[in-house]
Amino acid sequence: AQSVTQLDSHVSVSEGTPVLLRCNYSSSYSPSLFWYVQHPNKGLQLLLKYTSAATLVKGINGFEAEFKKSETSFHLTKPSAHMSDAAEYFCVVSDQEIYNQGGKLIFGQGTELSVKP
Amino acid sequence: AAGVIQSPRHLIKEKRETATLKCYPIPRHDTVYWYQQGPGQDPQFLISFYEKMQSDKGSIPDRFSAQQFSDYHSELNMSSLELGDSALYFCASRETGRSGNTIYFGEGSWLTVV
Repeated sequence: AQSVTQLDSHVSVSEGTPVLLRCNYSSSYSPSLFWYVQHPNKGLQLLLKYTSAATLVKGINGFEAEFKKSETSFHLTKPSAHMSDAAEYFCVVSDQEIYNQGGKLIFGQGTELSVKP
Repeated sequence: AAGVIQSPRHLIKEKRETATLKCYPIPRHDTVYWYQQGPGQDPQFLISFYEKMQSDKGSIPDRFSAQQFSDYHSELNMSSLELGDSALYFCASRETGRSGNTIYFGEGSWLTVV
């Protein structure tokens, strides 16, 4: 079965410093992986996705993630944090190959990012 | 661009009442998903539909039912509501089979059971 583990439930950084949110996955095939962000009392917004193309994926708002098969990781990074980045971040895997029929998303436990002034 | 539309955005019901949530997927999207997110929890998959047929089922209580209609919109019906049903309910949609397709989420419907 496919699963994701977010290694930190809470990460705190200072504004202008780098962000690293860690995610490991487990999948029996080449997975499709996503990062979603959820601001307080808001819906889920797609930050970026990996679907077996380039291993370094660039997303919105300066975020990027690198798919490392040997480490089964898909960590999210940003060079310089902004106050508006404070939110909950979810690492997500699709439980079927993305091109097949169906294929629901399986969420990690979430990482709360705090950004200090 | 059109997004996934959910209604109502906020709903307050009493215990044992019934609630219905509606979801209008992005045009041409043939698959709809329902997720439940309790306070401080990650979203949990409830049920999904592909071309108006149920395609997968997750942790959906027997008190809940859902369907997808001919125009691809979906409704989640919740009966005999319990306090623990208070949550944010997300609908999501995708165009299955399309290269590089993505699952898009609506803003969610907040259900409060009192």
